[in-house]
Amino acid sequence: GAVVSQHPSWVICKSGTSVKIECRSLDFQATTMFWYRQFPKQSLMLMATSNEGSKATYEQGVEKDKFLINHASLTLSTLTVTSAHPEDSSFYICSADASGQAKNIQYFGAGTRLSVL
Amino acid sequence: GDSVTQMEGPVTLSEEAFLTINCTYTATGYPSLFWYVQYPGEGLQLLLKATKADDKGSNKGFEATYRKETTSFHLEKGSVQVSDSAVYFCALRSGGGADGLTFGKGTHLIIQP
Repeated sequence: GAVVSQHPSWVICKSGTSVKIECRSLDFQATTMFWYRQFPKQSLMLMATSNEGSKATYEQGVEKDKFLINHASLTLSTLTVTSAHPEDSSFYICSADASGQAKNIQYFGAGTRLSVL
Repeated sequence: GDSVTQMEGPVTLSEEAFLTINCTYTATGYPSLFWYVQYPGEGLQLLLKATKADDKGSNKGFEATYRKETTSFHLEKGSVQVSDSAVYFCALRSGGGADGLTFGKGTHLIIQP
């Protein structure tokens, strides 16, 4: 099946620094990728839709200047958490739509746990 | 807005027991419905899906039927195995398949030998 790689799997950073998380589709092209956030014992919440070659679409309440998304190629989307603060500590998960393949299916990365000190 | 409600765990069963994990949803229009499974240390994997009313999704012995009249998509398996221990997420997708997913909180399933 389709594989989505997410890196790093775990990152600890100091408050005020920026952290970049990568999401790669390894064996398929994805014009659309999604970024989710999951708090402990909560649902995955959609943060934004990342479209190759265009600006990301953010869900209501998500700060686009804080969570920068870049989707420069059909196999890579990045999420940068800028000026991270302890309240940004969470589990971030990406997914990718398989363009031209089985539609309506998202393939997920294993997630990135961010801890901001 | 769209929402998904599923029973919260952990759910603990003995091997070979019958499993039901309830899932109900609220959505406008006709969403597609999914069950995803997350094994320890791994990403979410699609378990099964249904795209219209009365469709039954099935995979690996798991089944779920899209019930529009009760807005439900309950997950069932006749005889669970220890290897089924994982977190199960019910989800829906509106917007003709172009949108992100709306998830339930997840149900942690523990199967004891």
